[in-house]
Amino acid sequence: IAGITQAPTSQILAAGRRMTLRCTQDMRHNAMYWYRQDLGLGLRLIHYSNTAGTTGKGEVPDGYSVSRANTDDFPLTLASAVPSQTSVYFCASSDSGTGSINEQFFGPGTRLTVL
Amino acid sequence: GQNIDQPTEMTATEGAIVQINCTYQTSGFNGLFWYQQHAGEAPTFLSYNVLDGLEEKGRFSSFLSRSKGYSYLLLKELQMKDSASYLCAVMDSNYQLIWGAGTKLIIKP
Repeated sequence: IAGITQAPTSQILAAGRRMTLRCTQDMRHNAMYWYRQDLGLGLRLIHYSNTAGTTGKGEVPDGYSVSRANTDDFPLTLASAVPSQTSVYFCASSDSGTGSINEQFFGPGTRLTVL
Repeated sequence: GQNIDQPTEMTATEGAIVQINCTYQTSGFNGLFWYQQHAGEAPTFLSYNVLDGLEEKGRFSSFLSRSKGYSYLLLKELQMKDSASYLCAVMDSNYQLIWGAGTKLIIKP
């Protein structure tokens, strides 16, 4: 693989179900991010991780959890999905090392519908 | 609060020039980014400004004035493939990106 991948591409989920969105990057970037994108709104940060083993809350973390067991993987879990979590979810990564501009690279996105 | 403002939609003609403005109010400033996003696709990086002035990259240029909290993206010699949304984002004092809602650019023949 080259770059950053996400799975699944799309999913329809019943409310109350648990769902994990997967994200993997092969660029050895230290920082990773999860965003949601809704019509008419900018990308909103859900959770982030500056390095393996650490995570932080973004602007809209409620109802979501993440883990960062290694450099490459950053899964996002919805413990009990609700219709307001219907959105397009983007995973991103960046090299936040010295001299880097911290440009974020995005995965192709997961379109999630919660009914 | 933190805020990024950019026009919702703009229309331009193929071959022409268009300027997309972005104003911002953020907690700290560590650079301003422009991304392009085609419908149904992921955002892709276009440009980065951290110092005042103009950065040119082919048909695209980006300008920054930190004192005015203002940036613009200039697209020259517009092509149909430039039809997309253009996202302005500012990196704040915590090195997190704050995103505008994006400007949908429609190119007409």
